[in-house]
Amino acid sequence: GIQVEQSPPDLILQEGANSTLRCNFSDSVNNLQWFHQNPWGQLINLFYIPSGTKQNGRLSATTVATERYSLLYISSSQTTDSGVYFCAVEITSGSRLTFGEGTQLTVNP
Amino acid sequence: NAGVTQTPKFQVLKTGQSMTLQCAQDMNHNSMYWYRQDPGMGLRLIYYSASEGTTDKGEVPNGYNVSRLNKREFSLRLESAAPSQTSVYFCASSRYDRFNEQFFGPGTRLTVL
Repeated sequence: GIQVEQSPPDLILQEGANSTLRCNFSDSVNNLQWFHQNPWGQLINLFYIPSGTKQNGRLSATTVATERYSLLYISSSQTTDSGVYFCAVEITSGSRLTFGEGTQLTVNP
Repeated sequence: NAGVTQTPKFQVLKTGQSMTLQCAQDMNHNSMYWYRQDPGMGLRLIYYSASEGTTDKGEVPNGYNVSRLNKREFSLRLESAAPSQTSVYFCASSRYDRFNEQFFGPGTRLTVL
């Protein structure tokens, strides 16, 4: 099956710093999503981005489908950004999302 | 809109007991999914229903059954719970078309003793 690799596995930042999270995948995908799992376990949709670039406030994401990677940018990080960031991909519409193992982000005040 | 809702939020079972996790969505989505998340890992698909009246196995279906009761509701049943089924269970739904973004419920934390 498709492999999804996220890096780095752990990241510690000071409030106000910027960061880039990476997601590599091993096959062509129909769907790619970024999620934030907060400390209470809730999964929050950040981006649906099978290709191209999107921005939402301090967060932006870019997927280069032909090179099989996606990047999540977090600017001016805040303590509320802490949690685990997951990349998930889908090969065929209506089938399963395959998740990476996540990046654990800690933002210190 | 409530989105995707799950009940219960927490449950403790003894080995061999049975239970049903309930999931409902109010977004008129066609597809629904059940995932499990084990500590330190991403989510893995248990079963999914691409449309009303159909269900299919995912990556880790053993020990589970599902029912797509109607377009809104998709339940997950553990017939004889085992400690290996201790996990957090997430339900999700999507439109099932070219733009198949999945939306997740809040999760059910299940402990099997």
